[in-house]
Amino acid sequence: GAGVSQSPRYKVAKRGQDVALRCDPISGHVSLFWYQQALGQGPEFLTYFQNEAQLDKSGLPSDRFFAERPEGSVSTLKIQRTQQEDSAVYLCASRLGGRETQYFGPGTRLLVL
Amino acid sequence: QKEVEQDPGPLSVPEGAIVSLNCTYSNSAFQYFMWYRQYSRKGPELLMYTYSSGNKEDGRFTAQVDKSSKYISLFIRDSQPSDSATYLCAMRLQGAQKLVFGQGTRLTINP
Repeated sequence: GAGVSQSPRYKVAKRGQDVALRCDPISGHVSLFWYQQALGQGPEFLTYFQNEAQLDKSGLPSDRFFAERPEGSVSTLKIQRTQQEDSAVYLCASRLGGRETQYFGPGTRLLVL
Repeated sequence: QKEVEQDPGPLSVPEGAIVSLNCTYSNSAFQYFMWYRQYSRKGPELLMYTYSSGNKEDGRFTAQVDKSSKYISLFIRDSQPSDSATYLCAMRLQGAQKLVFGQGTRLTINP
């Protein structure tokens, strides 16, 4: 079946622009995660949803970062007034309820100039 | 100091060699331990998952957890060029949902 998909795959933004990154999880997966992966580093947790409820947003680095999952399926990560330090790969993962495995999408590579 | 430490490598070994990858961690409350493999320009994929201490084997892969030393390992036997990737350790607290990853070790298997 289809895996986690993310769009766009690549995004170039000028500093100060707003961006929106989309994640389509595997159908039926209750849990959804966003991670940020800087070059040469492991993924770092940003936020977690269970259905439409955002249960943990402790990893969001600033109030410029905002995530939503209004209908418990597709999720959008929005970054306002992008800064150069926001340049990274943004990974989305989904998980079936009661299971351990998080299935990752290919990521969105964001470059802020 | 990061919660999870992993030597970034790079590590280069000949085909057929046994590979040993390791992570150390500082939080003794971690209970769930995973190894992910990440190919270039792809998302991580789960290889092995272990709860608490002990060993787990799956084909050519063996995961070990030593909670007393706060040290986890992944062994790859009969390594293949297709094993060339970045290997990430990850761990989770009981009751928490987020994964805490190591930096990743870049591995190359030379034919």
